[in-house]
Amino acid sequence: QVQLQESGPRLVKTSQTLSLTCTVSGASISSDDWYWGWVRQAPGKGLEYIGYAHHKGTTYYNSSLTSRLTISVDKSKNQMSLNLKSVTAADTAVYFCARRPWIRGYYMDVWGRGTMVIVSS
Amino acid sequence: QSALTQPASVSASPGQSITLTCTGSRNDVGGYNFVSWYQQQPGKAPKLLIYNVNSRPSGVSPRFFGSKSGNTASLTISGLQAEDDGDYYCTSYTTEGTLDLAFGGGTRLTVL
Repeated sequence: QVQLQESGPRLVKTSQTLSLTCTVSGASISSDDWYWGWVRQAPGKGLEYIGYAHHKGTTYYNSSLTSRLTISVDKSKNQMSLNLKSVTAADTAVYFCARRPWIRGYYMDVWGRGTMVIVSS
Repeated sequence: QSALTQPASVSASPGQSITLTCTGSRNDVGGYNFVSWYQQQPGKAPKLLIYNVNSRPSGVSPRFFGSKSGNTASLTISGLQAEDDGDYYCTSYTTEGTLDLAFGGGTRLTVL
């Protein structure tokens, strides 16, 4: 079955760049059928949609993060990545990667287990 | 501030039925049949329960039922079980903002 696994540093210093990877198994990230995205959850808070990407290069970002955010797909490694620049304590959260259908797919059917990222000086 | 409004918490006893609500506008819930619901148990990833208002993915219990009326979507859980305890989030297609999915703030369901 399809599985997603997030990875990256648990601790990131304030003002630096947060970099995470989502490794996809059981499916090809190069498939036209899926978008691949990120959702985060600050401690004790709700879910926040960060953004998503298609292997053909299209990307969509949360307007509150656009200036700091890059999401990309690495087809050779079957991975998706997230880079968030100039982080602050407000970026401390569990980061989930998730898949959604490309055609009229306004839902996420497969999720990773999430990875906790703490931003601290 | 979440685009979709959900009650912060609800509670019910085992065996009972409960309905969770998700209120939006004509730009999201009311205008399109693209509401989905997720269950999140402590320390775990969200799990898709319902998509496109009332469709259940394979493997999801028929005790979970989705519906919509006007700008409000609902998730009804029948025959409540202790394992249903957790947070429930709704999402909807939206024409507002740079992303096409709006999230609700979540409802904490406590099974007494």
